[in-house]
Amino acid sequence: DQQVKQNSPSLSVQEGRISILNCDYTNSMFDYFLWYKKYPAEGPTFLISISSIKDKNEDGRFTVFLNKSAKHLSLHIVPSQPGDSAVYFCAASAIYGGSQGNLIFGKGTKLSVKP
Amino acid sequence: NAGVTQTPKFRILKIGQSMTLQCAQDMNHNYMYWYRQDPGMGLKLIYYSVGAGITDKGEVPNGYNVSRSTTEDFPLRLELAAPSQTSVYFCANSYLVSNYGYTFGSGTRLTVV
Repeated sequence: DQQVKQNSPSLSVQEGRISILNCDYTNSMFDYFLWYKKYPAEGPTFLISISSIKDKNEDGRFTVFLNKSAKHLSLHIVPSQPGDSAVYFCAASAIYGGSQGNLIFGKGTKLSVKP
Repeated sequence: NAGVTQTPKFRILKIGQSMTLQCAQDMNHNYMYWYRQDPGMGLKLIYYSVGAGITDKGEVPNGYNVSRSTTEDFPLRLELAAPSQTSVYFCANSYLVSNYGYTFGSGTRLTVV
């Protein structure tokens, strides 16, 4: 039973346009959400996070939006660049839940940004 | 600063063999984790540790063992390798419980034949 779902395995976007990656979760105890970026043959690297007390967090070209009522978050990349081509993982944690705060990951979305 | 270092990067094992995947950190973080990533799947937590001498099972612990005798090292042991353990293994650490994000190693690609 997947608690964190990324329903789009892949996304292709033109350079300069917006990339929107989506993530849904089922566990209402989740209170912290993170996005990781992964290049081939490398480990995931932390990109951006958001606490459940916020609905938006920005860091340069990257913005994460959280809709708690819909249990949905999204990552916006504007403008998209070819170097953004990677697999993006959504992750969630529940500090006070049974998972001891460990991160639960989605399956990832492979983003391809075409020049 | 190396961060989180995993060795080896690649390994081929025969069914029934054993091996230890090494993970070392130089960040002095208490929390360490082992994940596996199967093709097209997310990362599944195998074991984690909240400090030296303390380990606990994650989502998929069967077939694996860990130890945490020091803050720096968190080895993962496979006693009787099976084809189902063919995967990419990632070690990670964090300063506190996940709020601050994890730092991942570059992974060990293991094939069991």
